[in-house]
Amino acid sequence: DQQVKQNSPSLSVQEGRISILNCDYTNSMFDYFLWYKKYPAEGPTFLISISSIKDKNEDGRFTVFLNKSAKHLSLHIVPSQPGDSAVYFCAAKGRGGSEKLVFGKGTKLTVNP
Amino acid sequence: GAGVSQSPSNKVTEKGKDVELRCDPISGHTALYWYRQSLGQGLEFLIYFQGNSAPDKSGLPSDRFSAERTGGSVSTLTIQRTQQEDSAVYLCASSPSWGTGQPQHFGDGTRLSIL
Repeated sequence: DQQVKQNSPSLSVQEGRISILNCDYTNSMFDYFLWYKKYPAEGPTFLISISSIKDKNEDGRFTVFLNKSAKHLSLHIVPSQPGDSAVYFCAAKGRGGSEKLVFGKGTKLTVNP
Repeated sequence: GAGVSQSPSNKVTEKGKDVELRCDPISGHTALYWYRQSLGQGLEFLIYFQGNSAPDKSGLPSDRFSAERTGGSVSTLTIQRTQQEDSAVYLCASSPSWGTGQPQHFGDGTRLSIL
């Protein structure tokens, strides 16, 4: 069973516009969510996170929104830049116990100049 | 170095051979994690260490997989009698501590190919 789902394998946007990447989860015990960005042949790079006690966290061009009732989070990138082209992974951590992250399968973002 | 270091970066071996993958975490990071990413999939958790002990080994796919960490630093992941389904990118991550929502910082991985 896939506890973290990224239903869009790919997304294409124009430079300067907003990119919105979505993530759904099924486990209500998740209390911490993260977004990672990955370039080919490199490891994932941490972007931004949000605790389950918040509904929004912003860092520069990146904002993550959390809707606990819908078990949904999204990453907004404004404005999008060609260098943002990468695969974006959503990840979640459970409350208490293990520190393991559960990852979605990723969304490949392409920002066109 | 400043980041998580993994070696080798690429490993090609024959089915049935044993392999050892190495991870050198960021200096001072007490938590260390192993994940793997198969083609077209997300990252799959294998095991994590707090210091030298492993509270959660639940992601190790079979008893052919083992890992250890010594001196609270370097970790090795060993796969015995490799099978073709073991082909994947094996990623190591570290974080300053655990239980406080610290993000995990990843190395570039070891791409393992089993012929």
